[in-house]
Amino acid sequence: ETGVTQTPRHLVMGMTNKKSLKCEQHLGHNAMYWYKQSAKKPLELMFVYSLEERVENNSVPSRFSPECPNSSHLFLHLHTLQPEDSALYLCASSHLSGEREKLFFGSGTQLSVL
Amino acid sequence: DAKTTQPPSMDCAEGRAANLPCNHSTISGNEYVYWYRQIHSQGPQYIIHGLKNNETNEMASLIITEDRKSSTLILPHATLRDTAVYYCIVEGGNQFYFGTGTSLTVIP
Repeated sequence: ETGVTQTPRHLVMGMTNKKSLKCEQHLGHNAMYWYKQSAKKPLELMFVYSLEERVENNSVPSRFSPECPNSSHLFLHLHTLQPEDSALYLCASSHLSGEREKLFFGSGTQLSVL
Repeated sequence: DAKTTQPPSMDCAEGRAANLPCNHSTISGNEYVYWYRQIHSQGPQYIIHGLKNNETNEMASLIITEDRKSSTLILPHATLRDTAVYYCIVEGGNQFYFGTGTSLTVIP
């Protein structure tokens, strides 16, 4: 148990559906991240939130829409996805300060787009 | 961010030390070396990190060369549960970029 919880663990959706991924951290951290991991590819950093403000958006298509309502919760809203968006979506959190802080990851949501 | 180079795969006998190398020849002075591992279909797990000095914790040891251009992660007594993909990351400014890692297989 890492203190970062992601739901659901598995999700199957059609290309016309709208769904949301949820991430919750119980570690008192002030930064949260979304990563995407496609089969046999490195993790790709998608979004970074620091103190509930988005500080990084790595050219992610607009069909992925993040939301960070408070420092403990992070959502990834999905709509009109493509089959190539099928991947493991990982949430992570950390404490940003003057010291280097490590990332804590959730177990991920395995997404399949049909 | 500096890039890292790792061998794609390695084997290690159970009970022996596993030594995983990483090259980071373009690392800058304020960038740390981090190691994470990922067991199949789970999120990556932090192992250890360091700047200049060698580090040891309950999971592993990290040896960083004097010029900081390479490092080695050492698992002193590998078990079957250590089978995973190991990522070496050079981090600066709290941004973590993962490469393809080394797939370590511990053999009974």
